[in-house]
Amino acid sequence: EVQLLESGGGLVQPGGSLRLSCAASGTTGWVRQAPGKGLEWLSAITGSSDNINYADSVKGRFTISRDNSKNTLYLQMDNLRVEDTALYYCVKVGTGWFFQSWGQGTLVTVSS
Amino acid sequence: EKVMTQSPATLSVSPGERATLSCRASQSVSGDLAWYQHKPGQAPRLLIYRASTRATGTPARFSGSGSGTEFTLTISSLQSEDFAVYYCQHYNTWPLSFGGGTRVEIK
Repeated sequence: EVQLLESGGGLVQPGGSLRLSCAASGTTGWVRQAPGKGLEWLSAITGSSDNINYADSVKGRFTISRDNSKNTLYLQMDNLRVEDTALYYCVKVGTGWFFQSWGQGTLVTVSS
Repeated sequence: EKVMTQSPATLSVSPGERATLSCRASQSVSGDLAWYQHKPGQAPRLLIYRASTRATGTPARFSGSGSGTEFTLTISSLQSEDFAVYYCQHYNTWPLSFGGGTRVEIK
């Protein structure tokens, strides 16, 4: 089974920035779960970075990218809000845009 | 945007009984529907994709059905390890989205 490992989470003030990383290759993405809430898809990117999509809730604030030389996926998160507090999962996309493998998640807390 | 609605929010079932979970799409998603199982402290796990295809390692007691706007996940005989939250997710068009989840708890 594919192993995905996220890093980069932490405590940040509202309006601040954070960059998440995930050791992952191919078509991948990010999903989050706020405390006590359900799963929310955020963004996805193909292995060649030629197809990138975002949820409306993060469009314009979050940027997904990948470095294939390092087999690493990133999520640059800017202008963070309290409501962005969540466990962020790195996901590997299957034969369609569903998520066949998941990391254990990295916690992002946005608070003053 | 296609909105996914799951029902019921909570399902109380005795071990060995059958559980039926529903997922409804606000517009047709064809057969582009996946189901996940999520247990506390663990990563979610893919169970079903393409509405009815079991993922590798998914036990045969899990089955998915439906197309268009109505989908069902059935657990034929609940085992202790099946008590969890279940999510559906469409992948028909952008943006992708999940349903709100169904918690399956011990009766």
